[in-house]
Amino acid sequence: GENVEQHPSTLSVQEGDSAVIKCTYSDSASNYFPWYKQELGKGPQLIIDIRSNVGEKKDQRIAVTLNKTAKHFSLHITETQPEDSAVYFCAASITDKLIFGTGTRLQVFP
Amino acid sequence: GAGVSQSPSNKVTEKGKDVELRCDPISGHTALYWYRQSLGQGLEFLIYFQGNSAPDKSGLPSDRFSAERTGGSVSTLTIQRTQQEDSAVYLCASRPDGSDTEAFFGQGTRLTVV
Repeated sequence: GENVEQHPSTLSVQEGDSAVIKCTYSDSASNYFPWYKQELGKGPQLIIDIRSNVGEKKDQRIAVTLNKTAKHFSLHITETQPEDSAVYFCAASITDKLIFGTGTRLQVFP
Repeated sequence: GAGVSQSPSNKVTEKGKDVELRCDPISGHTALYWYRQSLGQGLEFLIYFQGNSAPDKSGLPSDRFSAERTGGSVSTLTIQRTQQEDSAVYLCASRPDGSDTEAFFGQGTRLTVV
């Protein structure tokens, strides 16, 4: 079955710096790669997603890149702000099954 | 326009007792997922339902865990003879038809087994 690995598990950055989180997946048939943000005590919420026919997608300060050959995808957050502090999860979807990575705890220090 | 609703939000139970966790998905969503999140850990896939197809139960950790989805809507996750290691947040998500659509999560049920 699909397996998703995510790195790093924790990431601390200074406000204004960039943050990068990386994921790899195992099943080349996966075709949808969402990223979720989870704040304390809440359920995860989608922040950006990318489909397998696209190599890069950007939405304001966040961007995602996908390398299908290498089976990895990354989340980039620029100009980080304290409110970006949360746990971020990547996921890969094959047919309807949605498998998540282990999460990255991002801390942005003012 | 309600989102995914889970109940109860918190549940404390004694070791050995059975518990039922409920999920009300967004109306019209055909796919429904259950995940388990242990303290500080990732989202562990448990089970998912898609329309009238047989559920994918490949993530259930033991035969003490089971889930049903009645009428293609509400789902119940049942844990029998609870153990302390079952303590976690149980998250439900629903999704419109299609493999490349957003999954919407509920707030979760925090289960504590004492």
